[in-house]
Amino acid sequence: DAMVIQNPRYQVTQFGKPVTLSCSQTLNHNVMYWYQQKSSQAPKLLFHYYDKDFNNEADTPDNFQSRRPNTSFCFLDIRSPGLGDAAMYLCATSGLAGGTHNEQFFGPGTRLTVL
Amino acid sequence: GQQLNQSPQSMFIQEGEDVSMNCTSSSIFNTWLWYKQDPGEGPVLLIALYKAGELTSNGRLTAQFGITRKDSFLNISASIPSDVGIYFCAGHKYGNKLVFGAGTILRVKS
Repeated sequence: DAMVIQNPRYQVTQFGKPVTLSCSQTLNHNVMYWYQQKSSQAPKLLFHYYDKDFNNEADTPDNFQSRRPNTSFCFLDIRSPGLGDAAMYLCATSGLAGGTHNEQFFGPGTRLTVL
Repeated sequence: GQQLNQSPQSMFIQEGEDVSMNCTSSSIFNTWLWYKQDPGEGPVLLIALYKAGELTSNGRLTAQFGITRKDSFLNISASIPSDVGIYFCAGHKYGNKLVFGAGTILRVKS
């Protein structure tokens, strides 16, 4: 089945220790998104790739970076995690449908704990 | 920025009851989406609406795209315990981004 896969599902890191979360997709979608979600809140968009074009949200801290080496994979790098970065990180994809990218499909998320 | 007002914030209902939740906005959207999120999982797309006035069903779920394009509702009929979760509405206006509502937490008493 076509899907969005996130690894690992649970990640524990230490304060200030760089961490990388990964996302892969078999949907062949050209747009990939990274969201941060804190408890019982709506997902908050960090950035997205339209093909190879990186689009950062204005309020995304510099501590968060992303890489998309190919269509299928996208990585979220947190350079120096702080306690406030503990959250669920969601990857999503969308493909061109009817000329617009309306429907986003989410992966299961990575729960990040910062000690 | 754009905001969606989603209500109610939470619901605690009896199994078998019908559920209704809605989202409103001060601006129009071209697409309305409804997602359900189980604890510890990512949101799952339930229903996508593309036309003003459109009424779409998915099993026990029914959603409508408001005529003004500024609102949408989701109904769940005959709720069951596995309906528990957080329901998010999301609107798409242009570009690649969605605007999310704050979510409705649904709890079901069996």
